[in-house]
Amino acid sequence: QKEVEQDPGPLSVPEGAIVSLNCTYSNSAFQYFMWYRQYSRKGPELLMYTYSSGNKEDGRFTAQVDKSSKYISLFIRDSQPSDSATYLCAMNRGSTLGRLYFGRGTQLTVWP
Amino acid sequence: DGGITQSPKYLFRKEGQNVTLSCEQNLNHDAMYWYRQDPGQGLRLIYYSQIVNDFQKGDIAEGYSVSREKKESFPLTVTSAQKNPTAFYLCASNRGPGQEKVFGQGTRLTVV
Repeated sequence: QKEVEQDPGPLSVPEGAIVSLNCTYSNSAFQYFMWYRQYSRKGPELLMYTYSSGNKEDGRFTAQVDKSSKYISLFIRDSQPSDSATYLCAMNRGSTLGRLYFGRGTQLTVWP
Repeated sequence: DGGITQSPKYLFRKEGQNVTLSCEQNLNHDAMYWYRQDPGQGLRLIYYSQIVNDFQKGDIAEGYSVSREKKESFPLTVTSAQKNPTAFYLCASNRGPGQEKVFGQGTRLTVV
């Protein structure tokens, strides 16, 4: 079993839709949870960052972490064509090693 | 602006040839990483370095080599021993206590 599982999609939604992206993981030691956005042929950029369980909101984006279920989510409200990208979840134990475990990424297309 | 610069953006390698990918950062970050990304797959760790003159193998180090002679620089050499080198290569550094990464814009390597 992989450390982090993420459905690769593709996911296609109309503009204005609410998008839900998810990852599950197997290692209960993970404490830091991240979402990266990657446009085609570009490097990933950090979108959301959460420590431990709970919710975090930033504009149209909300990250949720449920450690009891080993499940994390990213919600995008009022999705825009500019949100079309691949979204990668990543997580870390918080050790000094700095090792991040990535999901495969979900490809999202928002059509006008 | 601080960041990570990868060069070249596109690189073509002939069979049996070694090539070196450049990664430079001006963020004063200690730890640097090299990842490989293949279509539909997550990021796989090749090598990482936490301090100058020290580096460690990641999950897929075979056929690759690195050096870390300066804090700012972490070049990756793809040797002829790497049998399937065509991929997107990403360099990163650690941004904070959760080991969240800052990425460069990547180098696309193609074997011709």
